[in-house]
Amino acid sequence: GAGVSQSPRYKVAKRGQDVALRCDPISGHVSLFWYQQALGQGPEFLTYFQNEAQLDKSGLPSDRFFAERPEGSVSTLKIQRTQQEDSAVYLCASSLLGQGISEQYFGPGTRLTVT
Amino acid sequence: QKEVEQNSGPLSVPEGAIASLNCTYSDRVSQSFFWYRQYSGKSPELIMSIYSNGDKEDGRFTAQLNKASQYVSLLIRDSQPSDSATYLCAVTSPAIAGKSTFGDGTTLTVKP
Repeated sequence: GAGVSQSPRYKVAKRGQDVALRCDPISGHVSLFWYQQALGQGPEFLTYFQNEAQLDKSGLPSDRFFAERPEGSVSTLKIQRTQQEDSAVYLCASSLLGQGISEQYFGPGTRLTVT
Repeated sequence: QKEVEQNSGPLSVPEGAIASLNCTYSDRVSQSFFWYRQYSGKSPELIMSIYSNGDKEDGRFTAQLNKASQYVSLLIRDSQPSDSATYLCAVTSPAIAGKSTFGDGTTLTVKP
């Protein structure tokens, strides 16, 4: 079956530009997570949705970061006025159940480079 | 101190040997534990999940959990060069429901 998909796979943005990253979770999965991964480090939690509800956004690094999942399926992570420190791989994961108790399956990621 | 600690490695083992990867966590009430494999330039791939104390085996992989010691490990038997990757430990706590905390990973190299 289809796994988690993300688009675009690569994004180059000039500093100050806005970007939007898309995630299509596995069909029927209740939970959706966004992570940021820097080179040589593990994924860092950004935000978590259970269906359309954003239950935790404690990991979003600044108010320039915004995520939504309006119909409980596809999610978009938006970064406004990008900065060089935003350069990273952004990973989306989905999970069948809520509350983070079941396995998470990752998409291929979007590599964002801010120049 | 990070919430989830792993030796960064690199860990090098000969082909056919047992590779042992370790992870400690700080939140005593953590309830779900996962091991992911990540090849260079790729996203994490789930290998094992474990929820209760003891051992869980799946093919060449065995996960071991000791909640009293706040320790989880992954054993890879009959290591193959294709097992060369970074292995990530992830922990989920009910106190922060929905959020998994990852270690920075251990890099494993299996030499032919």
